[in-house]
Amino acid sequence: AQSVTQLDSQVPVFEEAPVELRCNYSSSVSVYLFWYVQYPNQGLQLLLKYLSGSTLVKGINGFEAEFNKSQTSFHLRKPSVHISDTAEYFCAVKGAGSYQLTFGKGTKLSVIP
Amino acid sequence: EAQVTQNPRYLITVTGKKLTVTCSQNMNHEYMSWYRQDPGLGLRQIYYSMNVEVTDKGDVPEGYKVSRKEKRNFPLILESPSPNQTSLYFCASNSGQGGIVNEQFFGPGTRLTVL
Repeated sequence: AQSVTQLDSQVPVFEEAPVELRCNYSSSVSVYLFWYVQYPNQGLQLLLKYLSGSTLVKGINGFEAEFNKSQTSFHLRKPSVHISDTAEYFCAVKGAGSYQLTFGKGTKLSVIP
Repeated sequence: EAQVTQNPRYLITVTGKKLTVTCSQNMNHEYMSWYRQDPGLGLRQIYYSMNVEVTDKGDVPEGYKVSRKEKRNFPLILESPSPNQTSLYFCASNSGQGGIVNEQFFGPGTRLTVL
């Protein structure tokens, strides 16, 4: 079985400040990890993914995430946020050999002007 | 344009009236899936399909049915909808035999209200 915990349901941050959205996962096998973004009244869009190799993954819109196997974490970071980054962010995990993608409950990022 | 389409986008219905939400993808993807999204619960998988005529239950399958007779279509059927099925539904597809390693493409969502 696999699971994802997003530790913060809401994160307010001022414009141009850095942000970190936390994600921890649980799985008995090796994993693939994803971050998706959902803008208001829209579907989900892939931000970035970790499949293998380098533990630092860069995605779209200046976001990056680091896979930490020992801490079972995949935190999402951006050094300077913009108003347009206001959205809900979902971390997701897929275990090797599984067909299921399991999502966390989401983190709402609010960027304050 | 590569896309996943869902219809209808919005639906208000009454308890017990059978309904179908259609999902279609034009990317020749083997894998398709249905999710429901509820506030504070994130996305939960209802059913998924690895290929034509191959489907399996996700985490919350009760009250739903699916079929996969063609590769491009994966309809979600609610035989007797109840108010607790009021939710935002997403269809998704991706390529890749053996699992979801490639990007999963999501449809625009269907907002269902059951009175």
